[in-house]
Amino acid sequence: KNQVEQSPQSLIILEGKNCTLQCNYTVSPFSNLRWYKQDTGRGPVSLTIMTFSENTKSNGRYTATLDADTKQSSLHITASQLSDSASYICVVGGEDSSYKLIFGSGTRLLVRP
Amino acid sequence: SAVISQKPSRDICQRGTSLTIQCQVDSQVTMMFWYRQQPGQSLTLIATANQGSEATYESGFVIDKFPISRPNLTFSTLTVSNMSPEDSSIYLCSVGSFYEQYFGPGTRLTVT
Repeated sequence: KNQVEQSPQSLIILEGKNCTLQCNYTVSPFSNLRWYKQDTGRGPVSLTIMTFSENTKSNGRYTATLDADTKQSSLHITASQLSDSASYICVVGGEDSSYKLIFGSGTRLLVRP
Repeated sequence: SAVISQKPSRDICQRGTSLTIQCQVDSQVTMMFWYRQQPGQSLTLIATANQGSEATYESGFVIDKFPISRPNLTFSTLTVSNMSPEDSSIYLCSVGSFYEQYFGPGTRLTVT
């Protein structure tokens, strides 16, 4: 069964600290993996997208890594800011033309001053 | 990228009634998607709406409950019919390609 699991479920950190969110997937065949940020009351916004041949991709203070062999990804946030408080969703695209995505349940991050 | 707007942004409805949610995109797109996000959960695909053809529904979702219209390449509607409290969710539309999807801000629906 195609699944995407994220950990931790929630996380609280102090402003300025770094953190790493984890994503494990069992989607096969695999095409790409995305990380989205969803602010409360908003739709998800894409942070990074990686194909199976990419190991890392950065977007400002956000760096995503991908190990297609172990089917694991991580999202590292550097020097956190209060505005980073949101849900971070790992999404995997299968290798077909249906555009169907498999969503993780997300990690809720709270950055405190 | 695409800019997506949804109406209404939120609504409180009585059980047994229906609500139609509108999704407007600032550019022509082939595929539009409707998702549901129940409280504390991630997104679940309801259906894919292509212009000029019937919407394709995912397992667990039926046309009688969630009829969809796609009259042109920039607009779609999703109706939540005969609502019950279990339909209380955020409903989001999305557009995109195989490698990127853009989401609307969502419609927060509460059924009492």
